[in-house]
Amino acid sequence: AQSVSQHNHHVILSEAASLELGCNYSYGGTVNLFWYVQYPGQHLQLLLKYFSGDPLVKGIKGFEAEFIKSKFSFNLRKPSVQWSDTAEYFCAVLGSGNTPLVFGKGTRLSVIA
Amino acid sequence: DTAVSQTPKYLVTQMGNDKSIKCEQNLGHDTMYWYKQDSKKFLKIMFSYNNKELIINETVPNRFSPKSPDKAHLNLHINSLELGDSAVYFCASGRIRGEQYFGPGTRLTVT
Repeated sequence: AQSVSQHNHHVILSEAASLELGCNYSYGGTVNLFWYVQYPGQHLQLLLKYFSGDPLVKGIKGFEAEFIKSKFSFNLRKPSVQWSDTAEYFCAVLGSGNTPLVFGKGTRLSVIA
Repeated sequence: DTAVSQTPKYLVTQMGNDKSIKCEQNLGHDTMYWYKQDSKKFLKIMFSYNNKELIINETVPNRFSPKSPDKAHLNLHINSLELGDSAVYFCASGRIRGEQYFGPGTRLTVT
């Protein structure tokens, strides 16, 4: 069964700092990869996705992620965070066939002024 | 236009009661899902329906019964509610192997 690990439980950054959130997965086959964001009290929104092609994908709000197949990783990055980026970030992996979308446990990002 | 909608947004009920949560999507997707988010924010798939057919059922107690009257709707009925059922339940829709779009969630509190 596939699994997803997000290494950081809670990250605290000052505004304008750079962000990198780690995500590793375990699955031997072809995967589709996602990052979702959940702002306080809201539903999940898709930040970006990777299906195939260029392993560096750009998403909304200045976020990007890089798929490194050899490391089974899909880390999320943003060069300069804003206070409004305070949220919970979830990495998710979809394997082949009828396997379900599996989420990591999430990383809470707190951006302080 | 709301893409994925759920009702109610909040549900407070007592142990032993039966309750339903409704979900509707207007995105034209073939596949709909129910997820449970626990108090630690962990999200786990419960059910998935594709074209009204159940395709994923993840070790969920049979007190939970999904019903899909058509491709645009996936309702969740819960019998004999227990304290441990308290959580936020999210409905989602998408295409097979594509991104999923989530509803606003239903916060269920069982007292």
